[in-house]
Amino acid sequence: AQSVTQLDSHVSVSEGTPVLLRCNYSSSYSPSLFWYVQHPNKGLQLLLKYTSAATLVKGINGFEAEFKKSETSFHLTKPSAHMSDAAEYFCVVSDRGSFGNEKLTFGTGTRLTIIP
Amino acid sequence: DAGVIQSPRHEVTEMGQEVTLRCKPISGHDYLFWYRQTMMRGLELLIYFNNNVPIDDSGMPEDRFSAKMPNASFSTLKIQPSEPRDSAVYFCASTRQGRGYGYTFGSGTRLTVV
Repeated sequence: AQSVTQLDSHVSVSEGTPVLLRCNYSSSYSPSLFWYVQHPNKGLQLLLKYTSAATLVKGINGFEAEFKKSETSFHLTKPSAHMSDAAEYFCVVSDRGSFGNEKLTFGTGTRLTIIP
Repeated sequence: DAGVIQSPRHEVTEMGQEVTLRCKPISGHDYLFWYRQTMMRGLELLIYFNNNVPIDDSGMPEDRFSAKMPNASFSTLKIQPSEPRDSAVYFCASTRQGRGYGYTFGSGTRLTVV
């Protein structure tokens, strides 16, 4: 069985300071891992993904995440926060399902607030 | 590509009425998923299809909910009769066979049952 835990339900940072959103996962197999972002009243947008290639993954809008198998973590970071980064962020884990494709399991989300 | 298209964007209906939500997946994607999002329960997978066939509907809350996918380019989620506790944002997502593609989500339908 797979699961994902987002360690913070809400994170507040000042504009221009670094962002860290934490995620730990549990998976029976070699997982794929994703981060999705949801802006207010919008759908979910794929930010970045890890699929067993490079452990440091770069995504859109300056975000990146590092897969650490020994720590079962996939934390999302950004060096300098912008006001437009204010949104809900979801960490997602995927195992290969019995039908051969991957079934996603979503974390509960982290709301990122940017302080001007 | 226009992405995953959902309609309507907003729906307000009275308790007891039938509600139909619509989804057009990305062309070439052979998996389609229906999710429901609420403040209390977060994102819940309701049902998913592979090549138009329902694979897992264990997330459908009760018999009032039904979903169909008559062809590769169209799916519906129907609630009959609707209840206030069905109020939520319903998302459709699609993907293709293979590892690590992730899902592409539609913009969602915000349903309010009064």
